Amino acid sequence: GENVEQHPSTLSVQEGDSAVIKCTYSDSASNYFPWYKQELGKRPQLIIDIRSNVGEKKDQRIAVTLNKTAKHFSLHITETQPEDSAVYFCAASIGRASKIIFGSGTRLSIRP
Amino acid sequence: GAGVSQSPRYKVTKRGQDVALRCDPISGHVSLYWYRQALGQGPEFLTYFNYEAQQDKSGLPNDRFSAERPEGSISTLTIQRTEQRDSAMYRCASSSGVGQETDATNEKLFFGSGTQLSVL
Repeated sequence: GENVEQHPSTLSVQEGDSAVIKCTYSDSASNYFPWYKQELGKRPQLIIDIRSNVGEKKDQRIAVTLNKTAKHFSLHITETQPEDSAVYFCAASIGRASKIIFGSGTRLSIRP
Repeated sequence: GAGVSQSPRYKVTKRGQDVALRCDPISGHVSLYWYRQALGQGPEFLTYFNYEAQQDKSGLPNDRFSAERPEGSISTLTIQRTEQRDSAMYRCASSSGVGQETDATNEKLFFGSGTQLSVL
């Protein structure tokens, strides 16, 4: 079935350290993988995305990697800062359609 | 407007009443999605449209839920005979176009602020 699994559900890292969040998907035809950040009481906002024809993408302190063979993708945040504290959601398109389903989220806390 | 607009922001209703939730997407956006988000959980897919055509409604929980987008712009999600378990944040999102093989730009979802539904 259509499924995106995300782990860990909670993650606490020291400020300045790196954080990694991992997701797996079930549909081998999925070709678009966005990541969203949601701060408390606010709407989810896109922070980075990747297509299946690319293995890695970076944007300043944020990077996403994709392993199509294993059907998993990861979000990497380096040099974490207090403002990185939020809930992060991975997502995947289903097949080649525009339908996008989300993982269950990771609550990231940055310790000062 | 500049972003996705949803109304009402909050809706409190009694069990058994019907509710209609409105979404006004970003002007020109082809695709419109409805999600439901429980506290602390990821957005749960309900349905989506390309233009006025409902492409997939497999996420609608039961036949009390329906959605329409008659002119390819504003959409309404209707819940009939509401139940307490329907209480949640309902979020709308839009994207600029139907997905293309090499360009992810038109698949980026922009979310509205949501409608917080409480069924008493």
